[in-house]
Amino acid sequence: GQSLEQPSEVTAVEGAIVQINCTYQTSGFYGLSWYQQHDGGAPTFLSYNALDGLEETGRFSSFLSRSDSYGYLLLQELQMKDSASYFCAVKDSSYKLIFGSGTRLLVRP
Amino acid sequence: GAVVSQHPSWVICKSGTSVKIECRSLDFQATTMFWYRQFPKQSLMLMATSNEGSKATYEQGVEKDKFLINHASLTLSTLTVTSAHPEDSSFYICSAREGGTHVSYNSPLHFGNGTRLTVT
Repeated sequence: GQSLEQPSEVTAVEGAIVQINCTYQTSGFYGLSWYQQHDGGAPTFLSYNALDGLEETGRFSSFLSRSDSYGYLLLQELQMKDSASYFCAVKDSSYKLIFGSGTRLLVRP
Repeated sequence: GAVVSQHPSWVICKSGTSVKIECRSLDFQATTMFWYRQFPKQSLMLMATSNEGSKATYEQGVEKDKFLINHASLTLSTLTVTSAHPEDSSFYICSAREGGTHVSYNSPLHFGNGTRLTVT
């Protein structure tokens, strides 16, 4: 079967750094993506890693280790508006995007 | 940038009726579109892959006769929830893969804003 595991909830304070981990087991792998979703909204693309290493986009960075089937999303200088759900997602051998279980991030003042 | 329009954004219907949800790629062609369902505080679950000009491919456990998918053109896919019941109440989201006939694994995927369906 296919599975992507993430912590269910993470809480951090404004201005801090938080890391959300994702481990995956899928039939085929064509990259790891991260999406943000606010309550009631659609998922918004954040980043994509096809190769091992770190990708940086402003306050957000994403890391991938294909040998470990593991990746993480790093959010720096947390802001209140970052409170949302974050999903990792893998493109499998059929090019379908399979989503992880999701992590609810709560940023406190 | 590429935009996917999903309509309606919300709908309330009575049990037993059918509801059609449209997903349009506004400024690009999409041979493949995906339909997801999301229950409150849960992940997005892939329901089916919609292919232009051919039958949709449904994920295991999804009833194809209940969730009818039509992808008649390169810019439009529709999902019809037939004989809806309260347990079908959910957030339905479509996504479209950018690219006509030249689709590759890294072709961008664009999401609609979702449709919240409530069946009373």
